[in-house]
Amino acid sequence: DAGVTQSPTHLIKTRGQQVTLRCSPKSGHDTVSWYQQALGQGPQFIFQYYEEEERQRGNFPDRFSGHQFPNYSSELNVNALLLGDSALYLCASSPQRGWDNEQFFGPGTRLTVL
Amino acid sequence: AQSVAQPEDQVNVAEGNPLTVKCTYSVSGNPYLFWYVQYPNRGLQFLLKYITGDNLVKGSYGFEAEFNKSQTSFHLKKPSALVSDSALYFCAVRDVGSNTGKLIFGQGTTLQVKP
Repeated sequence: DAGVTQSPTHLIKTRGQQVTLRCSPKSGHDTVSWYQQALGQGPQFIFQYYEEEERQRGNFPDRFSGHQFPNYSSELNVNALLLGDSALYLCASSPQRGWDNEQFFGPGTRLTVL
Repeated sequence: AQSVAQPEDQVNVAEGNPLTVKCTYSVSGNPYLFWYVQYPNRGLQFLLKYITGDNLVKGSYGFEAEFNKSQTSFHLKKPSALVSDSALYFCAVRDVGSNTGKLIFGQGTTLQVKP
């Protein structure tokens, strides 16, 4: 049973560019959350998707947007990249039922903005 | 606002000795608490959680955590540390203000176990 997978592993972009990160949830999970982990910091919640809709959003600007597909996979898009967007982006999945259960995290995508 | 604090940036312990990684929380209402571990270039791995019930929670890889409501703490413990336990540990609390399961993380504590 595959866990949460993310692609790509690493990504280098320049300021002003746009980036798309991808996530496939663990089998049986229908809810996907995205977190940003800056160097030396704990993960910060970006947003969560369920039933192809954004259910909750953290304190991130509109440059950060997402999408969930019918197969529950998800994308995170960041426009007009800033140097401060350099971070590890983590995707986590969970079942909607029993929302107090643990979230399963993917290995992350390391984004570097030059 | 809800928050989690990990007061130690780094904890050093000798292999075979007991270890404790500290976590305190601030939430309104009953807390749902979690511990995750992160190895280099890896995502977060779930260790254990406290939802309700016994204050001593047992988790993966021999770790346990003690929930203390009066001290608003949820310290991670292991009776005998292994070199392979060296990693970054995160305490997290569920955002009780939402029904999405959003996690609020502490800053993390690096555990260094020396042979």
